[in-house]
Amino acid sequence: DTGVSQDPRHKITKRGQNVTFRCDPISEHNRLYWYRQTLGQGPEFLTYFQNEAQLEKSRLLSDRFSAERPKGSFSTLEIQRTEQGDSAMYLCASSAGTKNTEAFFGQGTRLTVV
Amino acid sequence: KQEVTQIPAALSVPEGENLVLNCSFTDSAIYNLQWFRQDPGKGLTSLLLIQSSQREQTSGRLNASLDKSSGRSTLYIAASQPGDSATYLCAVDDYKLSFGAGTTVTVRA
Repeated sequence: DTGVSQDPRHKITKRGQNVTFRCDPISEHNRLYWYRQTLGQGPEFLTYFQNEAQLEKSRLLSDRFSAERPKGSFSTLEIQRTEQGDSAMYLCASSAGTKNTEAFFGQGTRLTVV
Repeated sequence: KQEVTQIPAALSVPEGENLVLNCSFTDSAIYNLQWFRQDPGKGLTSLLLIQSSQREQTSGRLNASLDKSSGRSTLYIAASQPGDSATYLCAVDDYKLSFGAGTTVTVRA
């Protein structure tokens, strides 16, 4: 297993464009998380899935953000009508979903909105 | 809402010195606490997981303690090396991970 994989690693987009990121979790991990991190801060929770069900969305996740996890495998995070404030590192993590298991993170997608 | 604080925000030590990184959290109803390392521009690498029932966890030169009742954890790194330079993040798991802002460590050769 190669760990959590995120694609793309870097994305530069113009303000107002839509972007989509992909996360492939560790196989058989049923829990998947999305976080956002800005410079000098710790990661902020955005949303998480238990299998294909999206169980919680942070208030940080405005209507322009949507996440899916069809079939409980990979997940996508879409940002519509991007704004400069969306520039950040978007991190994905997965875990086995039981109470005392480690979460493993991908390398992140660095989004720059110009 | 869970609040996680890490002190100090930055630390610079000469090689060979032991490192002590502190983490505090406001809600003790947690499943576990995890320490991560982050290199600039990279993702997070898991270092240690301490279950809520445990007091301590060790991996090589790393030792982490947990006092759930007082809402504190400490990460000790023995005999620091320049390769230990990174940002260290603690995260408490109460079904989702809540992070502190991290401690940025510089180990001078």
